[in-house]
Amino acid sequence: DAGVIQSPRHEVTEMGQEVTLRCKPISGHNSLFWYRQTMMRGLELLIYFNNNVPIDDSGMPEDRFSAKMPNASFSTLKIQPSEPRDSAVYFCASSLRGFADTQYFGPGTRLTVL
Amino acid sequence: DQQVKQNSPSLSVQEGRISILNCDYTNSMFDYFLWYKKYPAEGPTFLISISSIKDKNEDGRFTVFLNKSAKHLSLHIVPSQPGDSAVYFCAASDRGGADGLTFGKGTHLIIQP
Repeated sequence: DAGVIQSPRHEVTEMGQEVTLRCKPISGHNSLFWYRQTMMRGLELLIYFNNNVPIDDSGMPEDRFSAKMPNASFSTLKIQPSEPRDSAVYFCASSLRGFADTQYFGPGTRLTVL
Repeated sequence: DQQVKQNSPSLSVQEGRISILNCDYTNSMFDYFLWYKKYPAEGPTFLISISSIKDKNEDGRFTVFLNKSAKHLSLHIVPSQPGDSAVYFCAASDRGGADGLTFGKGTHLIIQP
């Protein structure tokens, strides 16, 4: 049974470029979450979806960040334009029974913005 | 304002001994608590959880204790093994609320041979 799948695993880009991170949640899970991990702030929730609908995006740092979930098996997190301070590990997670239940994480995407 | 705090950034324990990781929380509405384990270059993996109606939950070598009056929980690993070396995150949620999981910043557990 496949877990949460994220791609790419590593992304190196230059400041100002658009970055798109991808996530496939566990089949049958109805909630999806995007997190960012940095040394300074730990794991921060950016946005989460319930049944493909964004519920709370208050964690999204700026308008440069956007997330979509066009269907139950796919989500994207886009940063446009990217900045060096966006460098972090971005995790996607999904859960079966909603936003407050056990979440299962993907392997993460390590983003480096030069 | 950190609602979930792990005050020890790192902990070193000898193999075979007990590892105790601590977590404090401030939100009295939290009613579900989880521990995640994270290896380098991997995502956090769910380890064990406890509901606020219990004060202890055990799964093999892992036991989580919850002290609601002190707003404190701890994870005990006994005996500690080299493969337990990882970062451990404490997380909490208010299942009746709308804020999802709140994570602590993690404790890096190092098991010494």
